[in-house]
Amino acid sequence: GIQVEQSPPDLILQEGANSTLRCNFSDSVNNLQWFHQNPWGQLINLFYIPSGTKQNGRLSATTVATERYSLLYISSSQTTDSGVYSCEGSARQLTFGSGTQLTVLP
Amino acid sequence: GAVVSQHPSRVICKSGTSVKIECRSLDFQATTMFWYRQFPKQSLMLMATSNEGSKATYEQGVEKDKFLINHASLTLSTLTVTSAHPEDSSFYICSAGQVWGDEQYFGPGTRLTVT
Repeated sequence: GIQVEQSPPDLILQEGANSTLRCNFSDSVNNLQWFHQNPWGQLINLFYIPSGTKQNGRLSATTVATERYSLLYISSSQTTDSGVYSCEGSARQLTFGSGTQLTVLP
Repeated sequence: GAVVSQHPSRVICKSGTSVKIECRSLDFQATTMFWYRQFPKQSLMLMATSNEGSKATYEQGVEKDKFLINHASLTLSTLTVTSAHPEDSSFYICSAGQVWGDEQYFGPGTRLTVT
């Protein structure tokens, strides 16, 4: 099946800093989604982004489908951004990245 | 829009009993729902894909006779953990999309503890 490599696995930031998270796919996926799991377990969709660029406030994402990767940008990070960020792609099956554990310090 | 609910949010049951977890799409029809399990400090693990009106597709290593899935309507899928054991204690999450491959919306999860 398709492998997803997500980087970095862990990231500690000072509040206000910017960051870039990345997902690489071993093969083409038809659909790609980024989501955030907060420390209480709640999963929140961030972007559904099979290709192109989207922005939502301080977050933006870019997927380059031809090169099989996607980037999630977090600007001016806040402590409430802490949690696990994961990507998921689907082709014939769903495949998840192992996540980036983000900790934003006050 | 695109709200998915789960019930119950927490459940404690005795070893050997069965527990049913419901996943509902509240404001859209979902032909496909997914069930995941998450152990502490680990990422989501897909258990099965539930398709309305047909049998669920289970991932390798997931016992279909132990984790019964029913997707009888376009807004409801249920997961029944049969003869639960302490090792089944986990956080169970569902997601739903209008069609397979579409954007998925996650439920809030059900924390199961088997004593």
